[in-house]
Amino acid sequence: GENVEQHPSTLSVQEGDSAVIKCTYSDSASNYFPWYKQELGKRPQLIIDIRSNVGEKKDQRIAVTLNKTAKHFSLHITETQPEDSAVYFCAARNDYKLSFGAGTTVTVRA
Amino acid sequence: GAGVSQSPSNKVTEKGKDVELRCDPISGHTALYWYRQSLGQGLEFLIYFQGNSAPDKSGLPSDRFSAERTGGSVSTLTIQRTQQEDSAVYLCASSMDRGLWQPQHFGDGTRLSIL
Repeated sequence: GENVEQHPSTLSVQEGDSAVIKCTYSDSASNYFPWYKQELGKRPQLIIDIRSNVGEKKDQRIAVTLNKTAKHFSLHITETQPEDSAVYFCAARNDYKLSFGAGTTVTVRA
Repeated sequence: GAGVSQSPSNKVTEKGKDVELRCDPISGHTALYWYRQSLGQGLEFLIYFQGNSAPDKSGLPSDRFSAERTGGSVSTLTIQRTQQEDSAVYLCASSMDRGLWQPQHFGDGTRLSIL
């Protein structure tokens, strides 16, 4: 089955700086890669996703890149704000099944 | 309601008791998923329902766990003879169908605590 590894497990950044989270996956058949943000005690919320036929996607301060050859994808958050503090999960989808990374706890220092 | 609804939001029970967790997916969503999230961990796939097809139960950790989906809508996850290691947040998600690019939308989860 698919195995998704996510790094780092924790990330502390100064407000206004950028944050980068990296994930690798093992199954070359995976073709859809969503990112979820989960605030404490809340549901995971989809923030951005990328399909395997696209190398990069951007939505305001959030961008995701995908390298299919290397089987890794990354989340980039620019101009971080305190409300960006949360746990972020990457996932890889093969057919209908999503496999999740272990999560990155992002703390934005004011 | 616009989102995935789960109940109860919290459940505390004694070891050995049975529990039932409920998920009401977004209207029109044919695919439904259950996940387990232990403290500080990622999401562990449990079971998947799609329409009237046989469910994928490959993620259920033991035969104490079962789930059903009646009428292609509401789903119930049942844990029999609960153990302390069952303590976790149980999340339900739904998507429009099993289509390649359909995102999964999550409920708020049920926080289960086994004493």
